[in-house]
Amino acid sequence: GAGVSQTPSNKVTEKGKYVELRCDPISGHTALYWYRQSLGQGPEFLIYFQGTGAADDSGLPNDRFFAVRPEGSVSTLKIQRTERGDSAVYLCASSPNPGTGQETQYFGPGTRLLVL
Amino acid sequence: GNSVTQMEGPVTLSEEAFLTINCTYTATGYPSLFWYVQYPGEGLQLLLKATKADDKGSNKGFEATYRKETTSFHLEKGSVQVSDSAVYFCALNPGGSEKLVFGKGTKLTVNP
Repeated sequence: GAGVSQTPSNKVTEKGKYVELRCDPISGHTALYWYRQSLGQGPEFLIYFQGTGAADDSGLPNDRFFAVRPEGSVSTLKIQRTERGDSAVYLCASSPNPGTGQETQYFGPGTRLLVL
Repeated sequence: GNSVTQMEGPVTLSEEAFLTINCTYTATGYPSLFWYVQYPGEGLQLLLKATKADDKGSNKGFEATYRKETTSFHLEKGSVQVSDSAVYFCALNPGGSEKLVFGKGTKLTVNP
């Protein structure tokens, strides 16, 4: 079946602009996660949705970052007033039955964001 | 806090060599431990996992044992292949949330 998809695959923007990154999880997966991966680093957790609600948003770096999942499927990560330091690969993942801490997360290919 | 430390890369081996990638962790509580792999041009995918002390995860000839006494989860393979060339990430789920905490990754290159 189809995996996690993310669009766009690449995004170039200018400092101060607003961007939206989209994630389409595996059908039927109730949990959705966003991570950010800077060059040479491992993925860093941003936010986790269970259904439509954000169950854990402790990784969002500041109030310029916001994410939604209005119908419990597709999610959008929104970044306001982008800064050069926001340049990274943004990864989305989903999983079917969260709650045990043992779940496999299925990752998308990522969106590479470059802020000039 | 929760953290994962992996051995620095890159690691370069010849085909059929023995592989060890060290991973140690710091966690409150009883985490689950994972190895994820990223092959060139592909997304992260689970390689193996272990959910409690002394568990051994295994897949595709790779193994890792959850050692609580040494807070380690070292990845091993007895005979690597060129197709194992990838970046390997050790990760933990500390419990209480579903988030993963990743190490920095170790790039492995296997030469024929």
